[in-house]
Amino acid sequence: GNSVTQMEGPVTLSEEAFLTINCTYTATGYPSLFWYVQYPGEGLQLLLKATKADDKGSNKGFEATYRKETTSFHLEKGSVQVSDSAVYFCALRANAGGTSYGKLTFGQGTILTVHP
Amino acid sequence: DTGVSQNPRHKITKRGQNVTFRCDPISEHNRLYWYRQTLGQGPEFLTYFQNEAQLEKSRLLSDRFSAERPKGSFSTLEIQRTEQGDSAMYLCASSLFGGRYTGELFFGEGSRLTVL
Repeated sequence: GNSVTQMEGPVTLSEEAFLTINCTYTATGYPSLFWYVQYPGEGLQLLLKATKADDKGSNKGFEATYRKETTSFHLEKGSVQVSDSAVYFCALRANAGGTSYGKLTFGQGTILTVHP
Repeated sequence: DTGVSQNPRHKITKRGQNVTFRCDPISEHNRLYWYRQTLGQGPEFLTYFQNEAQLEKSRLLSDRFSAERPKGSFSTLEIQRTEQGDSAMYLCASSLFGGRYTGELFFGEGSRLTVL
């Protein structure tokens, strides 16, 4: 079945540090890949996505590139801010047909804390 | 605000009692998903509807759990004879799916269940 594995956290950084959160996946076919973010007390929000191999998703200074050869979708940001402190979830959506098409499979989440 | 709305936000109950959660999706969205999230884990898929039809149920959804979406709008998730292991955050998401719509999921803030 489909699965997503994220780097074990939590991650603690100083402001302006470089961020990488690793994500690898297992899926048949060509899934779409997503990063969701959950700020304290809020619901999950889509951060960025990529729908095919070599696509780069980007938003709010975050980037992730869909690497089919390594089945990875690592999240990066060049300079984090205190306001980036949140839980980050990698997810995939199968693109095959059938009734499972559309639902998301999530990784376990990575807690990011950024200190001033 | 026209986002996904969930009620109640918090529910504390005693073991053996029944609880019901309600989700109001974004009005034009035809798909509605239920997920469960426990501390330190990513959301786990429970079930989803397309309009009023329940198209898939996870094996996680025991026979004590039932979900409905009677008119293809709001949905309810009922848990009968609650157990302590049911304590979790129950997340609802909706999407517009089909045709040119890519089915991006929009999440509510969740309903937290504590079973004593």
